[in-house]
Amino acid sequence: GAGVSQSPRYKVAKRGQDVALRCDPISGHVSLFWYQQALGQGPEFLTYFQNEAQLDKSGLPSDRFFAERPEGSVSTLKIQRTQQEDSAVYLCASSPRRRNYGYTFGSGTRLTVV
Amino acid sequence: AQTVTQSQPEMSVQEAETVTLSCTYDTSESDYYLFWYKQPPSRQMILVIRQEAYKQQNATENRFSVNFQKAAKSFSLKISDSQLGDAAMYFCAYGNSGYSTLTFGKGTMLLVSP
Repeated sequence: GAGVSQSPRYKVAKRGQDVALRCDPISGHVSLFWYQQALGQGPEFLTYFQNEAQLDKSGLPSDRFFAERPEGSVSTLKIQRTQQEDSAVYLCASSPRRRNYGYTFGSGTRLTVV
Repeated sequence: AQTVTQSQPEMSVQEAETVTLSCTYDTSESDYYLFWYKQPPSRQMILVIRQEAYKQQNATENRFSVNFQKAAKSFSLKISDSQLGDAAMYFCAYGNSGYSTLTFGKGTMLLVSP
């Protein structure tokens, strides 16, 4: 596609509910990143994929967070047993290269846990 | 660990005027990248400008330019001939030379008045 596509754009979840957030990167992009942006803050790194391999998941805040990219294209970020502190915008970004030249971001999913 | 500091939570400028947004960072690396991203209300992070640390020449992109002071670890963004469409949140970000993640500052909200 022309850009990084994320769905849903908004998600309201009841505390304890599981959610799945989808990222469709630019076709052919090797690198894919997930970031979490709390209200009034800058994005913070969650996890990184190079093709289907998850090379860095050091930013995932707990074992309730899980990400996958099974075929090296679409990625899903799953949050189990959501809690209020999970409320944030979740941004996905992709890059055509392995080296850090700056990525293309999607418009994010705003998750609100009530 | 790298840190990025944006000390101006909010800046104001009039149309056609020039404004400078400040950013400092801390790193022990010699080879790295610095970025300015713009985030309008649509939430998509848009790359404004990129600077490679090994290049002494300051990057420019049309009305946007940077003042990169490597020894001082300073990376400010100058916006010339400001336009109403420049109003947004601006984030300074640091990235290592490899594939790795971006570290963002907390952002500066730029207000543009007619």
